[in-house]
Amino acid sequence: DQQVKQNSPSLSVQEGRISILNCDYTNSMFDYFLWYKKYPAEGPTFLISISSIKDKNEDGRFTVFLNKSAKHLSLHIVPSQPGDSAVYFCALKEYGNKLVFGAGTILRVKS
Amino acid sequence: DAGITQSPRHKVTETGTPVTLRCHQTENHRYMYWYRQDPGHGLRLIHYSYGVKDTDKGEVSDGYSVSRSKTEDFLLTLESATSSQTSVYFCAISVGGGGLQETQYFGPGTRLLVL
Repeated sequence: DQQVKQNSPSLSVQEGRISILNCDYTNSMFDYFLWYKKYPAEGPTFLISISSIKDKNEDGRFTVFLNKSAKHLSLHIVPSQPGDSAVYFCALKEYGNKLVFGAGTILRVKS
Repeated sequence: DAGITQSPRHKVTETGTPVTLRCHQTENHRYMYWYRQDPGHGLRLIHYSYGVKDTDKGEVSDGYSVSRSKTEDFLLTLESATSSQTSVYFCAISVGGGGLQETQYFGPGTRLLVL
């Protein structure tokens, strides 16, 4: 059974609008949450993270929200830019310094 | 740039042959990881290391072995490659001093095709 689910395989957004990527998890013991961005033929790059003691973390155009009661994580990108087009993975940290990844969401930002 | 290189970057091999992928880091980090990425599965952990000669299995370790004889190198070996091991393999290091907010940084990947 998947511990981390990104239920939207793809998302298409107009340039300048908000992109919202979602992630649901099943294990309430996760205590640190990350988002990675991946371009084709490159390794994933760390984007933003949040610890379980917070419900929001901002870094420029990127904001991550954590709803622990709903076991739900989301990434907001405002405003979206064509260069944001990539695959986005949510990742949750479990014991032993290991990460569990979702299947990813392909974001396309149209100009 | 987390100072991670992977070699080879691309490899084509035949079923039944052994294959070794190398991950090299320049910054002396303790934790290193091997993942595979497949469509619909995201990244799945194969093996990881928490020090020289200290390794442990991940979610999808069957058919793979690892070795870490030096801090900077983490090797992944497919003992007898199968077509199901066709994938993109990523190495990662963990940065952050051992605390809760350790973050993993990834290498550029190795694309492996098993015919």
